[in-house]
Amino acid sequence: QSVLTQPPSVSGAPGQRVAIACTGSSSNIGAGYDVQWYQQLPGAAPKLLIYDNTNRPSGVPDRFSGSKSGTSASLAITGLQAEDEADYYCQSYDSSLSGYVFGTGTKVTVL
Amino acid sequence: EVQLVESGGALVQPGGSLRLSCAASEFTVSDKYMSWVRQAPGKGLEWVSVLYTGVTTYYADSVKGRFTISRDNSKNTVYLQMNSLRAEDTAVYYCAGGPLFSYYMDVWGKGTTVTVSS
Repeated sequence: QSVLTQPPSVSGAPGQRVAIACTGSSSNIGAGYDVQWYQQLPGAAPKLLIYDNTNRPSGVPDRFSGSKSGTSASLAITGLQAEDEADYYCQSYDSSLSGYVFGTGTKVTVL
Repeated sequence: EVQLVESGGALVQPGGSLRLSCAASEFTVSDKYMSWVRQAPGKGLEWVSVLYTGVTTYYADSVKGRFTISRDNSKNTVYLQMNSLRAEDTAVYYCAGGPLFSYYMDVWGKGTTVTVSS
């Protein structure tokens, strides 16, 4: 079972802003470990979207932004586009498990 | 182009074994933390195992004692040996790599499918 909790789904109209929360605990996000976000388009492998809480890899549009506070993190998508319709996962490290942990995943729907 | 290509997925009976391979191009696997991540049908991502530099390895509790991650530097390939397979191990298995001293994965393969069924 996933250690990081996300809402199952969020939706928005084209051009709107949506945000996805990722809630952890004192052994992962709250312990200071960085949070990553991955985008998984239908039928494709995951793709790194945000790393180390706020950084975007080369080629990722600046419409995507990340933040972290306490035991939670958030991914925001501004100017929502049809191509953003995908599953999004947060990920961190957990010291009590000595391993990586993923969020439960959030499906973003563009209305 | 930096890429990872997985192979070895198959249909296997419960209790059987399988070895997955992950071949890297345009980078050296020993220069990255290499992981396996799986995704059961219709489910989310689940981290399986990581191989740090040297021989340091860690596993998810769900596979500990049954799976073994390893690396062949001469072939620039990472492996996942899976023993005592169960129905719940059925998934697409992704190989992924990330920078040393970081816990993220910036290179992913397309995945290979493992089905455990009689």
